[in-house]
Amino acid sequence: EAGVVQSPRYKIIEKKQPVAFWCNPISGHNTLYWYLQNLGQGPELLIRYENEEAVDDSQLPKDRFSAERLKGVDSTLKIQPAELGDSAVYLCASSDYLAGNTQYFGPGTRLTVL
Amino acid sequence: GESVGLHLPTLSVQEGDNSIINCAYSNSASDYFIWYKQESGKGPQFIIDIRSNMDKRQGQRVTVLLNKTVKHLSLQIAATQPGDSAVYFCAESIYGNKLVFGAGTILRVKS
Repeated sequence: EAGVVQSPRYKIIEKKQPVAFWCNPISGHNTLYWYLQNLGQGPELLIRYENEEAVDDSQLPKDRFSAERLKGVDSTLKIQPAELGDSAVYLCASSDYLAGNTQYFGPGTRLTVL
Repeated sequence: GESVGLHLPTLSVQEGDNSIINCAYSNSASDYFIWYKQESGKGPQFIIDIRSNMDKRQGQRVTVLLNKTVKHLSLQIAATQPGDSAVYFCAESIYGNKLVFGAGTILRVKS
């Protein structure tokens, strides 16, 4: 069974440019999460989707970050414009609410903002 | 939660020895706890979880202990192998939603 897929794996951009990350969750997982992980720290939740509905986006900086999960499967996370402090790893995870809700993570996208 | 930034605590063990990684959690309402292993350049990998109605759970070579009285969680790895070298994170949540991660512990296995 395929795990959570993310692309790109690495992205280098200049500040003020836009950037987008894509996530394909484990098949059948209705819950999808985006996390941010700074170097040497644990992941921090940005947004959680139940199917296509964002049920927790309280930690998402909405002035520059946006996310969507239009058909309740794949999701994109966008930053516009990117700032130097956005350099981090962006992780996607998914879970099956009816099967214990264990979150499984993708490999992440490492973003470097110059 | 607190963060130790780049200065994560490190546990060094000899190959074949047992490892114990400790974690203090903060929310007494948390009812679900999970341990992840993260290798360099990879996402966190699920190791084992435990719910608050249990105080011990065993997997293959791993055991998680939960002490709700002092809000403490530990991960025991038996017969530690070089492939166990990684950063280990504990996380707490209420029914698996919004995991709150601890600071992480680096495990180094010496051959």
